[in-house]
Amino acid sequence: GQQVMQIPQYQHVQEGEDFTTYCNSSTTLSNIQWYKQRPGGHPVFLIQLVKSGEVKKQKRLTFQFGEAKKNSSLHITATQTTDVGTYFCAGNNAGGTSYGKLTFGQGTILTVHP
Amino acid sequence: ETGVTQSPTHLIKTRGQQVTLRCSSQSGHNTVSWYQQALGQGPQFIFQYYREEENGRGNFPPRFSGLQFPNYSSELNVNALELDDSALYLCASSLWGGSPLHFGNGTRLTVT
Repeated sequence: GQQVMQIPQYQHVQEGEDFTTYCNSSTTLSNIQWYKQRPGGHPVFLIQLVKSGEVKKQKRLTFQFGEAKKNSSLHITATQTTDVGTYFCAGNNAGGTSYGKLTFGQGTILTVHP
Repeated sequence: ETGVTQSPTHLIKTRGQQVTLRCSSQSGHNTVSWYQQALGQGPQFIFQYYREEENGRGNFPPRFSGLQFPNYSSELNVNALELDDSALYLCASSLWGGSPLHFGNGTRLTVT
C-alpha cells in the first residue's frame, strides 16, 4: 500500500533559525496536505497543494510540491516559539479507489529553544 | 460556525469489551472520516462516510465499524477491544472526500 515518509523525525532549533521537513510518497499523489499538531492537541490544517511544482507561502512558511507529485517540503523561516509542534504531511492517492483516504507521514516534531 | 465535537474525551475499557465513540461534524460538512493515532505516530485512516455510506476503508479489521446519520454526525464502534487499540481516535469532517480535514479534539481510549 501507499507509504508516506517524513524526515527528520525530530528537529531542535534555536529561535530565529530556519526549519525544513521533507515528505516522500511511494506513489504519485493527487494532492498533498500539511497539518500542524500542538502538544496535546489535534491536527490543524495548514495548506493543500495540488499542482506539480506548486509553491505556496503563508507568512514565514513555504510549501512545495515536487514535479513528480511524489514529494513535498515545508520550510519555516526564522522560527518562533509559537511554531512548536508536530508537522504532518498527508497524501491523497492519485488513481486510488478510496478517494477520501489521506495517508499521513509519521510527522516531524519541532522544538524551538528561546 | 460550530466545529467538530467528539465525545467522550477520555475512556477506559477492559480488553474484550465494546466501545462507541461519537462525533458531530462541522456545519455544512457532509463527509466524516475517522483516524486512529497511536502515541508518537501519524493518524491512520480507519474509514470515511459520505451521505451515510462508507466511502473508503483503511487496513482495520471488521471489528471496527461505523455509522453516519442523516444529520452527518457519526459513530465509531470497536468490538472485542485489544490492548493495541489504545490510542487517540480522531474524527474529521470535510466538505467532500478529498478536501481538507477539520479535526475534533479526539477521544483518548485506554484498554487495560
